[in-house]
Amino acid sequence: GAVVSQHPSWVICKSGTSVKIECRSLDFQATTMFWYRQFPKQSLMLMATSNEGSKATYEQGVEKDKFLINHASLTLSTLTVTSAHPEDSSFYICSARVEGGRGGWGTQYFGPGTRLTVL
Amino acid sequence: AQSVTQLDSQVPVFEEAPVELRCNYSSSVSVYLFWYVQYPNQGLQLLLKYLSGSTLVESINGFEAEFNKSQTSFHLRKPSVHISDTAEYFCAVTLNQGAQKLVFGQGTRLTINP
Repeated sequence: GAVVSQHPSWVICKSGTSVKIECRSLDFQATTMFWYRQFPKQSLMLMATSNEGSKATYEQGVEKDKFLINHASLTLSTLTVTSAHPEDSSFYICSARVEGGRGGWGTQYFGPGTRLTVL
Repeated sequence: AQSVTQLDSQVPVFEEAPVELRCNYSSSVSVYLFWYVQYPNQGLQLLLKYLSGSTLVESINGFEAEFNKSQTSFHLRKPSVHISDTAEYFCAVTLNQGAQKLVFGQGTRLTINP
């Protein structure tokens, strides 16, 4: 249980184009999903918190207009990198939080990641 | 704000040897603690977590971690490692309230040599 998928697993695009990455919770509902960015040999950097039915909450320094997040259902969140540039090349990972659990808190389960390369 | 420090960026060990990956955290309020493992070109997998109760938590593949509040540590240990344990290990913390965002350490690359 608690499986999270991402699509695509990798994508190569030209500079100036937009790329959409999907994150799905396959066997549970998630009112909250998170989007991270990971540079080579570095840790994960939280980009934004995606809440179903409301606007995403972005971390400081993350451009809202460049990284569009939509959480249209309890099992799907999308990240769209608009007008991508080579510096946007990275490994993007999403997670979905299982609600409930001891103390009212849920564990985050991570997707396999999407490697974006912008030429 | 919370922070996590993983003191070792790389840990090489021989197969069947014991290993300890160190993790220290800083927080002025109570936190939950996690260890995640990342295999090459994959996302993160939850290895084990401490929410409350017994300070010693175990995973199904032989890893264990002990929450030490006085030393603000959550070190990960395994008495005998296998080649398949080669991966990147991340320690993470979150507040037990509010947005519950995870804060990750820098990661420790565990390399098992035959």
